[in-house]
Amino acid sequence: SQKIEQNSEALNIQEGKTATLTCNYTNYSPAYLQWYRQDPGRGPVFLLLIRENEKEKRKERLKVTFDTTLKQSLFHITASQPADSATYLCALDRGNTGKLIFGQGTTLQVKP
Amino acid sequence: DAGVTQSPTHLIKTRGQQVTLRCSPKSGHDTVSWYQQALGQGPQFIFQYYEEEERQRGNFPDRFSGHQYPNYSSELNVNALLLGDSALYLCASSYDRGFYGYTFGSGTRLTVV
Repeated sequence: SQKIEQNSEALNIQEGKTATLTCNYTNYSPAYLQWYRQDPGRGPVFLLLIRENEKEKRKERLKVTFDTTLKQSLFHITASQPADSATYLCALDRGNTGKLIFGQGTTLQVKP
Repeated sequence: DAGVTQSPTHLIKTRGQQVTLRCSPKSGHDTVSWYQQALGQGPQFIFQYYEEEERQRGNFPDRFSGHQYPNYSSELNVNALLLGDSALYLCASSYDRGFYGYTFGSGTRLTVV
């Protein structure tokens, strides 16, 4: 069956370090992949979208890579801050359908 | 610029009852999707509406139905509520099929007792 896996354990890092979150998928050939941030009790907030023909995309302190051979996306936050603490979700759209399949999310805790 | 607005924010219902949740999309967006999110899990796709038609549907029973109005606002209806329907229900709007990302509302927390 189709599956999207993110680090199930929380990621704890020190302020100023780079946080790296992983999203692995199986049985998909996604048209694009999206990353969202979700704070407790709130809806997800869109961060970045990367298409299947793109290897890397950046936005300020955020960087996303997309390796369709490894079936993996990496999400990096450089110079992390306590305000970056949240749950981060990756989501795939397999065939430009608009139907997003989400991973379970990884909780990031940045300590001062 | 108002984002996605959902109402109500919280709701408590009894098993067997029916519920209607409402969503106003972000200005300029024509597509509305609904998701169910259980605690500690990622959102699960319920269905998507575009031009007042259901365009995509996830693995949810027929008890879950929806509607989109000409002004792009949308409703999610759930009949014969079960305890397992307790979750955060999220509405997401986009232009076309979300090729530029989705804007989510803060959700409706539904508790079935």
